[in-house]
Amino acid sequence: AQRVTQPEKLLSVFKGAPVELKCNYSYSGSPELFWYVQYSRQRLQLLLRHISRESIKGFTADLNKGETSFHLKKPFAQEEDSAMYYCAPSGYSTLTFGKGTMLLVSP
Amino acid sequence: DVKVTQSSRYLVKRTGEKVFLECVQDMDHENMFWYRQDPGLGLRLIYFSYDVKMKEKGDIPEGYSVSREKKERFSLILESASTNQTSMYLCASSSSLRGSGRNYEQYFGPGTRLTVT
Repeated sequence: AQRVTQPEKLLSVFKGAPVELKCNYSYSGSPELFWYVQYSRQRLQLLLRHISRESIKGFTADLNKGETSFHLKKPFAQEEDSAMYYCAPSGYSTLTFGKGTMLLVSP
Repeated sequence: DVKVTQSSRYLVKRTGEKVFLECVQDMDHENMFWYRQDPGLGLRLIYFSYDVKMKEKGDIPEGYSVSREKKERFSLILESASTNQTSMYLCASSSSLRGSGRNYEQYFGPGTRLTVT
């Protein structure tokens, strides 16, 4: 069965601290991996995908096929990063969303 | 800019009522999706459609049906609403390259918060 695990429901850090939001997946084949974000009162939107190998808003995510992980990292968190983050591996046509991690960045 | 719109932001219905949630996208996307979003459970796929008149069950289709008569419109139907269907419902759409098996970015609507009393 396809599964994605985000072990932390809530991650609370101070501004300027490093952040790592964990994501582990169990998937057949070679899925594409995505991170989606939902800021307060905004719609869910794509943050980044692993095939792009890009940094968005200072966030990066490395796919580790051996550990089947796709952790999201940022070296210095900002208050505006406070949001709900979802990891989502993809199958042929669909995404499987994790339960999400709420990131709170305090001043 | 891709736009996905949903017919209502808030909806209150009574148990047993038939409920229609409408979603429209304006980017000629092939794929459309309905999710429900619940605290602690994340997003769960109810149904999706990869073409007009085509539909596939997602992870939690029980109690729901869908309709896609036109490419831009995807409707979610609750035949007989129940209190455990109180939730936030999100619609999404995406393009896809037929036969490639690759997924493209899903664009989400603002959501409909449905309360069944």
